[in-house]
Amino acid sequence: IQLTQSPSFLSASVGDRVTITCRASQGVGSYLAWYQQKPGKAPKLLIYYASTLQSGVPSRFSGSGSGTEFTLTVSSLQPEDFATYYCQQLKSYPHSFGQGTKLEIK
Amino acid sequence: QVQLVESGGGVVQPGGSLRLSCAASGFTLSGYAMHWVRQAPGKGLEWMAFLRHDGSIEYYGDSVQGRFTASRDNSKNTLYLQLNSLRADDTAVYYCARDFHNRALDYWGQGSLVSVSS
Repeated sequence: IQLTQSPSFLSASVGDRVTITCRASQGVGSYLAWYQQKPGKAPKLLIYYASTLQSGVPSRFSGSGSGTEFTLTVSSLQPEDFATYYCQQLKSYPHSFGQGTKLEIK
Repeated sequence: QVQLVESGGGVVQPGGSLRLSCAASGFTLSGYAMHWVRQAPGKGLEWMAFLRHDGSIEYYGDSVQGRFTASRDNSKNTLYLQLNSLRADDTAVYYCARDFHNRALDYWGQGSLVSVSS
């Protein structure tokens, strides 16, 4: 299953609302997760099962979708949110990742 | 607290082998399936391997199938990844990560760098 994220690069300002899309080449149900990665660090789980917020993750992050189209939304960007975001499907093996979306400060 | 610590990375020649270890603490490894994920320099994440909690089922990505083998010793709370027939494009940071009910990878190690170069 191939995952395609859009956009690949996103420039935004603190306080903006941003949305990242992840499209799957075939249906994955709700078996989709979102991760945040900062330079030199391991990825951090944000959202699992498409829309469930991982414990400790701020509520400004939200996920939605099912089947082949999913979104990650950050309602009001904070300085610490500038990072690269990845989606991953866990419906079937290999558990592929999207190519990533780099979120930069405008 | 849950902690995963990889070790065993380094520089190896093309065609060589290496074994990575992932030491788990703060939870009982035998209760969890585990994954390996890698990231080439400046590139995205690539899922590589899955190992069921008891080691009975394994899955691998196409690029490493037949060359890499995941294993575990639950008595030592340690996960392993044997890397054989290494190529330059295997150069990457290798992460181990814990499976969360097949819905996500909820804890990740800090990564171990493998560099394949002559």
